[in-house]
Amino acid sequence: DAEITQSPRHKITETGRQVTLACHQTWNHNNMFWYRQDLGHGLRLIHYSYGVQDTNKGEVSDGYSVSRSNTEDLPLTLESAASSQTSVYFCASSEAVNYGYTFGSGTRLTVV
Amino acid sequence: AQSVTQPDIHITVSEGASLELRCNYSYGATPYLFWYVQSPGQGLQLLLKYFSGDTLVQGIKGFEAEFKRSQSSFNLRKPSVHWSDAAEYFCAVGSNDYKLSFGAGTTVTVRA
Repeated sequence: DAEITQSPRHKITETGRQVTLACHQTWNHNNMFWYRQDLGHGLRLIHYSYGVQDTNKGEVSDGYSVSRSNTEDLPLTLESAASSQTSVYFCASSEAVNYGYTFGSGTRLTVV
Repeated sequence: AQSVTQPDIHITVSEGASLELRCNYSYGATPYLFWYVQSPGQGLQLLLKYFSGDTLVQGIKGFEAEFKRSQSSFNLRKPSVHWSDAAEYFCAVGSNDYKLSFGAGTTVTVRA
């Protein structure tokens, strides 16, 4: 069965370190998204991609970057981790907007 | 830009009672509307969606939602809740650029 997987499930890192969160989907979806989930804010869009070599900034992109070298993967990099980036991160993919998103299980990141 | 408001942060309901979760959206064109459910420590699962046709849509787990354009609302309902319905519920609105905007979520507690 097709799926979308995120790794790691949990990560603790130190302030200032570079961290990369992985997202891999086997749906063959062109559209992929990264969100962060924080209490009281719901999910906020960090970055998204419409296809290979395409990346776009979302509403909370500062301090984050993504790259899209193939259809399956959209890794999220925190350039220099900050305590404000402690959050749960969700990756999602979509074939078309009317289908909604398929979500990964999330990565809980703690920056100490 | 689109936005979503979920006025209720937390709802407590007795098992077997009915449930209604409110969602109001802001979007200039015909919206794509979604309800997702998130169980503790899990990703988001699509409950139902609307983008055209019958304004009363049926979803999984016995949920339904009604689109009311005049009120810019897409409220979620269930006639009789089960203890397993305790979760967080997110309303989302999508646009033709494939991006979804989420509300802050409503946490549902089910008491015996």
